[in-house]
Amino acid sequence: AQRVTQPEKLLSVFKGAPVELKCNYSYSGSPELFWYVQYSRQRLQLLLRHISRESIKGFTADLNEGETSFHLKKPFAQEEDSAMYYCAHCGYNKLIFGAGTRLAVHP
Amino acid sequence: GAVVSQHPSWVICKSGTSVKIECRSLDFQATTMFWYRQFPKQSLMLMATSNEGSKATYEQGVEKDKFLINHASLTLSTLTVTSAHPEDSSFYICSAKGTSGDTEAFFGQGTRLTVV
Repeated sequence: AQRVTQPEKLLSVFKGAPVELKCNYSYSGSPELFWYVQYSRQRLQLLLRHISRESIKGFTADLNEGETSFHLKKPFAQEEDSAMYYCAHCGYNKLIFGAGTRLAVHP
Repeated sequence: GAVVSQHPSWVICKSGTSVKIECRSLDFQATTMFWYRQFPKQSLMLMATSNEGSKATYEQGVEKDKFLINHASLTLSTLTVTSAHPEDSSFYICSAKGTSGDTEAFFGQGTRLTVV
């Protein structure tokens, strides 16, 4: 069965500090991983996906198949990054979400 | 990006009645739609996956007869909560994937259901 684990419910940092939101997955095949973000009072939107290897809003995420991880990183957090972040995996025609991590960036 | 619209955004209904929630892809054709349920301060729990023209695949523990899903066209899927009870009160979110082979799923704004 596929599973996505986000161990941290809340990550609180100061502006300018580095950020790492953890995500681990379990899946028997080739993983297809995403990070979604939900800003206050807005719908979920895609932040980035592992196949495109792009950087969006300064965030990057590298797939580590050895550690079955897809951690989201940003070197310098901004206040506008405060939101809920969900790691998700698509497999067996299902899009499964982790529990989510709330990122709070303080001035 | 593509737009997915849910209707209604908020509905209050009496216990025992049925409620239909619509999910539309406005500017693309969606072969696959996902229905999620989200409790306060919790993550999205997948309820079912529907592919256009075929029966929905429900997750374990989700009652098929309680949550009826219809995906009759490439732009519309509906979730009907039958004989709703207060414990069905929740936030329901749909998501749609297009036909182009792109794996990105687009999300509706969600529907808050309150059963009184």
